[in-house]
Amino acid sequence: EIVLTQSPGTLSLSPGQRATLSCRASQSVSSDYLAWYQQKVGQAPRLLIYGISRRATGIPDRFSGSGSGTDFSLTISRLEPEDFAVYYCQQYGASPPYTFGQGTNLEIK
Amino acid sequence: QVQLVQSGAEVTKPGASVKVSCKTSGFTFTTFYFHWVRQAPGQGPEWMGVIRHSAGSTTYAEKFQDRFTMTRDTSTSAVYMELRSLRSEDTALYYCARDAMVGAIGVIDHWGQGTLVTVSS
Repeated sequence: EIVLTQSPGTLSLSPGQRATLSCRASQSVSSDYLAWYQQKVGQAPRLLIYGISRRATGIPDRFSGSGSGTDFSLTISRLEPEDFAVYYCQQYGASPPYTFGQGTNLEIK
Repeated sequence: QVQLVQSGAEVTKPGASVKVSCKTSGFTFTTFYFHWVRQAPGQGPEWMGVIRHSAGSTTYAEKFQDRFTMTRDTSTSAVYMELRSLRSEDTALYYCARDAMVGAIGVIDHWGQGTLVTVSS
């Protein structure tokens, strides 16, 4: 089973700033099968990125994903008030289980 | 629009079973895979299993293999999950979710509202 470790646990930033969230896998993620989700309190997760860098339908271009192998990042270029939430990375595709990271809480400073 | 509507909250005792339903609409049910994902309080999501559109074959996470079953009813566009031999650690919000079908299994583009299952003596 691939274990995903996200850092930092909490990130405190202000609107307008740039956010960079990290996700490290315990072994190489095959075929770029890495996704990111956003979750707000009381809501289900929302798909942001899949295939490391492909934005899901309707996701603004301030969200971008990058990385390869075992190290991945989600960058939010300029934070909007609605971006403050918990973010999860997920590996999928080749071999189940399709594991999630433990999350990064992006909070307003 | 795409909708996944789950059954209501459940309170059960250790050792019992729970069955949760997920009724879907707004898309062609038989062209998608479906997942169950659970989330314990304050934790990240945990993938439990997938049911495929072709013949309804299933794959489960190993930790649930012996006490978890996913089924579907194509006549009503619904999916179901049953978890048996419940223990307190199974207390969580259980989500039904639709696969995005982007070429590899596991990307989830639509989620149900979640069903809270509480296991307590």
